[in-house]
Amino acid sequence: GDSVTQMEGPVTLSEEAFLTINCTYTATGYPSLFWYVQYPGEGLQLLLKATKADDKGSNKGFEATYRKETTSFHLEKGSVQVSDSAVYFCALRVGGYQKVTFGTGTKLQVIP
Amino acid sequence: EAQVTQNPRYLITVTGKKLTVTCSQNMNHEYMSWYRQDPGLGLRQIYYSMNVEVTDKGDVPEGYKVSRKEKRNFPLILESPSPNQTSLYFCASRVPGGYGYTFGSGTRLTVV
Repeated sequence: GDSVTQMEGPVTLSEEAFLTINCTYTATGYPSLFWYVQYPGEGLQLLLKATKADDKGSNKGFEATYRKETTSFHLEKGSVQVSDSAVYFCALRVGGYQKVTFGTGTKLQVIP
Repeated sequence: EAQVTQNPRYLITVTGKKLTVTCSQNMNHEYMSWYRQDPGLGLRQIYYSMNVEVTDKGDVPEGYKVSRKEKRNFPLILESPSPNQTSLYFCASRVPGGYGYTFGSGTRLTVV
């Protein structure tokens, strides 16, 4: 079956540090890949997505590149802010009507 | 405003007392889904619906029911709740294709 593996958290960074959250996947077909963010007390929000190999998704300073050869979709940001503190979920979906499979989430805490 | 609305936000109930969590979306999305979020397990799909009167089981359907009589509504029914159904529940909707979900704000259910 399909699965997503994320790095364990929590990740604690100082403001303006560089962020990488690792995500690898296994899929039965050709997946679309997503990053979602969950702020405290809220639902998940789509952060960025990529639908084919070598695509780069980007939003709010975050980036992730679809790497088919390494089955990875790592999330990066060059300079994090306190407001980026949240839980980040990597996810995939194979096919337009299929379910989305989520990773277990990585909690990010940014300290001033 | 495009949104998914869940009610209630918080619910404490007793074992065996039937309850319904409502979910409504105003985006005319065909696909709707229920997830539960538990620490260390991420999000797991309970049920999904591809359109009116079309529903199917996700990964953890035991103890839950759903219905999809109208396109906008997708209620989650717990006929006889048990303590292991204590969790944070999310409703989500999307269109087919390479698009992400829109999530509701969540329902925190405690079964005592």
